[in-house]
Amino acid sequence: ETGVTQTPRHLVMGMTNKKSLKCEQHLGHNAMYWYKQSAKKPLELMFVYSLEERVENNSVPSRFSPECPNSSHLFLHLHTLQPEDSALYLCASSQDGQGYNEQFFGPGTRLTVL
Amino acid sequence: TQLLEQSPQFLSIQEGENLTVYCNSSSVFSSLQWYRQEPGEGPVLLVTVVTGGEVKKLKRLTFQFGDARKDSSLHITAAQPGDTGLYLCAGANRDDKIIFGKGTRLHILP
Repeated sequence: ETGVTQTPRHLVMGMTNKKSLKCEQHLGHNAMYWYKQSAKKPLELMFVYSLEERVENNSVPSRFSPECPNSSHLFLHLHTLQPEDSALYLCASSQDGQGYNEQFFGPGTRLTVL
Repeated sequence: TQLLEQSPQFLSIQEGENLTVYCNSSSVFSSLQWYRQEPGEGPVLLVTVVTGGEVKKLKRLTFQFGDARKDSSLHITAAQPGDTGLYLCAGANRDDKIIFGKGTRLHILP
């Protein structure tokens, strides 16, 4: 138990569906992250939020839309996804957005796009 | 583009054996972290190294940061089945961005 929870753990969706991934951290951290983990690729950083403000967006397609309503919650809204978007989506948090800080990861949401 | 190359990609060895996995780059990192990820879970931090030449030990695991801060190694002594998992290295560059390697998938056979 890392103090970071993600729901749902598994999600199957069609290309025309709209769904949202949820992440919650109970650690009092100020920074939260979304990562994509695909087979045979390095962990890809998608978005970084620090104090609820988006500080990094690594050229992620607009079909992925993040939302950070407060420092404990992070959402990833999904719409019109492609089969190549199937992957494990990991949420993480850290004390602040500094690169050397330990990141605490949630268990991930395994997403399958049909 | 900065890259972290991890080798080997896969390693399967018998319980009790020793092993070393590597994390290499042509770029300098201000710090480097090693994470372990088990099936169905997110990565968990094992160690952070920040000084060139630094060596840190965590029970049977020994981590070393290269003198030039471009590479790192993880040595496991007397591997146990509980060491099985995906080992990821992650470097923080001068822009304070984190970059992950693809990982080494380790399987310890009982």
